[in-house]
Amino acid sequence: DVKVTQSSRYLVKRTGEKVFLECVQDMDHENMFWYRQDPGLGLRLIYFSYDVKMKEKGDIPEGYSVSREKKERFSLILESASTNQTSMYLCASSPGLAGGTETQYFGPGTRLLVL
Amino acid sequence: AQSVTQLDSHVSVSEGTPVLLRCNYSSSYSPSLFWYVQHPNKGLQLLLKYTSAATLVKGINGFEAEFKKSETSFHLTKPSAHMSDAAEYFCVVSYTGRRALTFGSGTRLQVQP
Repeated sequence: DVKVTQSSRYLVKRTGEKVFLECVQDMDHENMFWYRQDPGLGLRLIYFSYDVKMKEKGDIPEGYSVSREKKERFSLILESASTNQTSMYLCASSPGLAGGTETQYFGPGTRLLVL
Repeated sequence: AQSVTQLDSHVSVSEGTPVLLRCNYSSSYSPSLFWYVQHPNKGLQLLLKYTSAATLVKGINGFEAEFKKSETSFHLTKPSAHMSDAAEYFCVVSYTGRRALTFGSGTRLQVQP
């Protein structure tokens, strides 16, 4: 079974703090993704990576950056957290062989509260 | 731009009655379509996907969906709801060559005893 793990289930941070969200997958997948989930908006893509050190902006990249130094690990960074970044953050991975037809596998999510 | 619209934000059914969750997508190229389910405090799980093979797609837990190109729809159905089906359901679209998925806003399914 594919396993995608996220470092924290719940986080509370203060405005202006630098926040790191970590995601690890154990299936040697090429693609990894970060989404945020807000009520009534579904999931929105922040960034994705299709290879080590490669990244592309998604639909809402402002205020975020990412890092992928190893294939299995994809980090989401909030350089200076703001209250409007309070949300549920979901990481996903996919094999990378078949483009948009592939199943994505999701982690359990990190619920971030910025005070 | 590709998009997907879930027509109902909430659906409530009685246990044992049919479930219908509606989804329409924008049509630019040949889409791949997915339904994902999210149970409370759990990650998203794939229910089923359509990738240009049979138009009637069967998924897990008795769910199925039919791809109707003429209506640009991909509605999710189940003949008989179970209490364990209560969850949020997302209709998702993607296109060949594009790695990212586009999610609908979600439909919360309630199942009454």
